[in-house]
Amino acid sequence: DAGITQSPRYKITETGRQVTLMCHQTWSHSYMFWYRQDLGHGLRLIYYSAAADITDKGEVPDGYVVSRSKTENFPLTLESATRSQTSVYFCASSLGGGPSGEQYFGPGTRLTVT
Amino acid sequence: GENVEQHPSTLSVQEGDSAVIKCTYSDSASNYFPWYKQELGKRPQLIIDIRSNVGEKKDQRIAVTLNKTAKHFSLHITETQPEDSAVYFCAASMGSNYQLIWGAGTKLIIKP
Repeated sequence: DAGITQSPRYKITETGRQVTLMCHQTWSHSYMFWYRQDLGHGLRLIYYSAAADITDKGEVPDGYVVSRSKTENFPLTLESATRSQTSVYFCASSLGGGPSGEQYFGPGTRLTVT
Repeated sequence: GENVEQHPSTLSVQEGDSAVIKCTYSDSASNYFPWYKQELGKRPQLIIDIRSNVGEKKDQRIAVTLNKTAKHFSLHITETQPEDSAVYFCAASMGSNYQLIWGAGTKLIIKP
């Protein structure tokens, strides 16, 4: 699915540093989502966006910031990374919102905070 | 808050047998229930979904059933094959919100 990409794929950073994870989709999907995936917790929604300049908190937003100035990009920033933010981060996009259809996931970013 | 419980966490079945994974949800307003498959090291991908106005949906060897009264839905895989080995996630839409609430996942192991 080359239509949605994430960068970097792997990142190691230190506690307290700011980190930005990038997400780019080429389908012009309205909705975009950021999830974190941890063993035993499945996928937990961090933030989502219904359109450019419209974002909203998900289940676990603390410590994260998002922006969406263009439809195709949805970066996720960890303002001051903590060890508890070590996780695999998935970006996803969808034509419609939650009840409205399939979410297409990016390949994921594995983030380690030391 | 709203949640989705998924069972079992691990399921091991003999190749050719059937596998059933069950999920229960708490939000009575949920109306969309997708199932995603995630192979090791890969991204989750939708395999089947069902909406609240339908009780059952089939796609070849995969089927999903929904019981709105009991607030649970299940994934059924028949004639399992080695390529069915993966982690399966259920999810439920959270009322009128655009969020999906996800189950914790089931690791399906197909024994040869």
